[in-house]
Amino acid sequence: NAGVTQTPKFQVLKTGQSMTLQCAQDMNHNSMYWYRQDPGMGLRLIYYSASEGTTDKGEVPNGYNVSRLNKREFSLRLESAAPSQTSVYFCASQLQGINYGYTFGSGTRLTVV
Amino acid sequence: GNSVTQMEGPVTLSEEAFLTINCTYTATGYPSLFWYVQYPGEGLQLLLKATKADDKGSNKGFEATYRKETTSFHLEKGSVQVSDSAVYFCALSDSQAGTALIFGKGTTLSVSS
Repeated sequence: NAGVTQTPKFQVLKTGQSMTLQCAQDMNHNSMYWYRQDPGMGLRLIYYSASEGTTDKGEVPNGYNVSRLNKREFSLRLESAAPSQTSVYFCASQLQGINYGYTFGSGTRLTVV
Repeated sequence: GNSVTQMEGPVTLSEEAFLTINCTYTATGYPSLFWYVQYPGEGLQLLLKATKADDKGSNKGFEATYRKETTSFHLEKGSVQVSDSAVYFCALSDSQAGTALIFGKGTTLSVSS
């Protein structure tokens, strides 16, 4: 009964370093999402994958790339981290369709120094 | 474009007080509406939803009614508890905008005993 699992939970990077945030779901959901959460900004969509094999940009995609590795896994990559990418990142999944809510992971708190 | 506007917090209440958190939306189509709750250090959890006009979503004593005429989905609870202290997010999903949820900025609720 794991739901959506994100790793790591915490990470500190130096400016210019790269890293990949991992996300996996075990609910056989079709759609997966990456959001970032910043104080006073709510959640903003970075990228999403409506189904295996497809990815699309969200509201704030600059500086990020994603890979939908298979139906279960959706990773987010920062190629050259910047302090503006300091945030809490949430992965979510959804059984496709607007009437279904999302299941969220517990988040990755990333600090770029 | 589609958007969600929530009342700004923080909202500070005493235990057993009545809670209202206002949420209004703008959408081009016929959205589904959601309330999510985020407890400290955790991811977001679906609290309740409504998929068409005049529907009432309810869960754990919380209620919200989908009002198309006023484009609102206000969250209410008759008697809050300390354990309800959290951040509450209103969100919409619009078929014309794809399935990605659009979130409000969140409202922090603090309940004291």
